[in-house]
Amino acid sequence: DVVMTQSPLSLPVTLGQPASISCRSTQSLVHSDGNTYLSWFQQRPGQSPRRLVYQVSNRDSGVPDRFSGSGSGTDFTLKISRVEAEDVGVYYCMQGTHWPPGFTFGPGTKVDIK
Amino acid sequence: EVQLLESGGGLVQPGGSLRLSCAASGFTFSDYAMGWVRQAPGKGLEWVSGISDGGGSDTYYADSVKGRFTISRDNSKNTLYVQMNSLRVEDTAVYYCAKRPPGGRSIDSWGQGALVTVST
Repeated sequence: DVVMTQSPLSLPVTLGQPASISCRSTQSLVHSDGNTYLSWFQQRPGQSPRRLVYQVSNRDSGVPDRFSGSGSGTDFTLKISRVEAEDVGVYYCMQGTHWPPGFTFGPGTKVDIK
Repeated sequence: EVQLLESGGGLVQPGGSLRLSCAASGFTFSDYAMGWVRQAPGKGLEWVSGISDGGGSDTYYADSVKGRFTISRDNSKNTLYVQMNSLRVEDTAVYYCAKRPPGGRSIDSWGQGALVTVST
């Protein structure tokens, strides 16, 4: 089974400064159709998760352009160019390439303000 | 606007059963694969079960719930279900209804969640 890891698990950041979260998979996430099904989700305190990025680097509608996703194969990154107070929460990566039986989430990275 | 509204959560004793429902609106429900994701208190996200679009002929389960949970859909009611039997303390979690985009390899919308507590 594919295992997803994230680092760091906790990320204190200064407002206005950049932040970066790494996500790694134990198997390549390149699907036989040529696509890479790696998504990023944000979960603010007390809220449901919300997707930010799909297929590595495609931002969802309404997601600020300070969020960007990159990577390939087994190594992926979510970057926030300038952290704002509303970005506090937990960020999860998730693979959908190796389906079935289902999706695999990373353990989550908690972002808070220093 | 896509809306997913879960219901049916509550307190149940170990070994008991519960059925969660997810009422969908804002999209053509039958056209989309759906699923359930759970989150134990203070923990991360765990995929629970998925169902294909249309008639829902294809269903998938995490090993942790296989044989105990059954996912289904009623397109005439725009509703997704999960029947949870033989519940264990470790099934305690917020259960989210999840809509999958075309191709089904991600989640593009989430419900607000329903809390299931398994305890004596």
